[in-house]
Amino acid sequence: EAQVTQNPRYLITVTGKKLTVTCSQNMNHEYMSWYRQDPGLGLRQIYYSMNVEVTDKGDVPEGYKVSRKEKRNFPLILESPSPNQTSLYFCASSFSFGTGGVEQYFGPGTRLTVT
Amino acid sequence: ILNVEQSPQSLHVQEGDSTNFTCSFPSSNFYALHWYRWETAKSPEALFVMTLNGDEKKKGRISATLNTKEGYSYLYIKGSQPEDSATYLCALVFGNQFYFGTGTSLTVIP
Repeated sequence: EAQVTQNPRYLITVTGKKLTVTCSQNMNHEYMSWYRQDPGLGLRQIYYSMNVEVTDKGDVPEGYKVSRKEKRNFPLILESPSPNQTSLYFCASSFSFGTGGVEQYFGPGTRLTVT
Repeated sequence: ILNVEQSPQSLHVQEGDSTNFTCSFPSSNFYALHWYRWETAKSPEALFVMTLNGDEKKKGRISATLNTKEGYSYLYIKGSQPEDSATYLCALVFGNQFYFGTGTSLTVIP
């Protein structure tokens, strides 16, 4: 089954404790992206990757890191989480970006709470 | 950051009613316009991807139009059904990034 998977689905952690949220897709997509969803703000892009070893900042990259060593995986790293990073996170992927004319497939989401 | 606005913020309609929502974006910043449907406790699913001025797309009872010169897209639902209840998101694509609106929450009352 074609899908984007994220782990964990739910995570409660404490301020400053490094964590990684994994994202994997089995559709051979080039473009992958991370978003956060906060009430009243809509989905905001954190980082995106056009292909292996090519990553770039979105609108809200502060406090996050990513890597793209393999085509299928795009982990999101919070080196020192803070309470303002409490949010619902989505990973998404699509075929070659071109001019954005290709739909994205979203993972199931990760609800992160930082206390 | 590009501003993408959706209206109305929420909408309640009776089963069988037809309805429409608006997505507005800066007309000078455009590569593509995406519509997604997001049901509670699920993840967003793509409805339409529109790239050309005047584009019209249709999937069953749902259709969308695009006007890039004036910077808006309309989503129409004909004969709303309870299963259409969801949040409908639009996203402007510019450069290599996506800029999402805050969505229109639709509730269809049986």
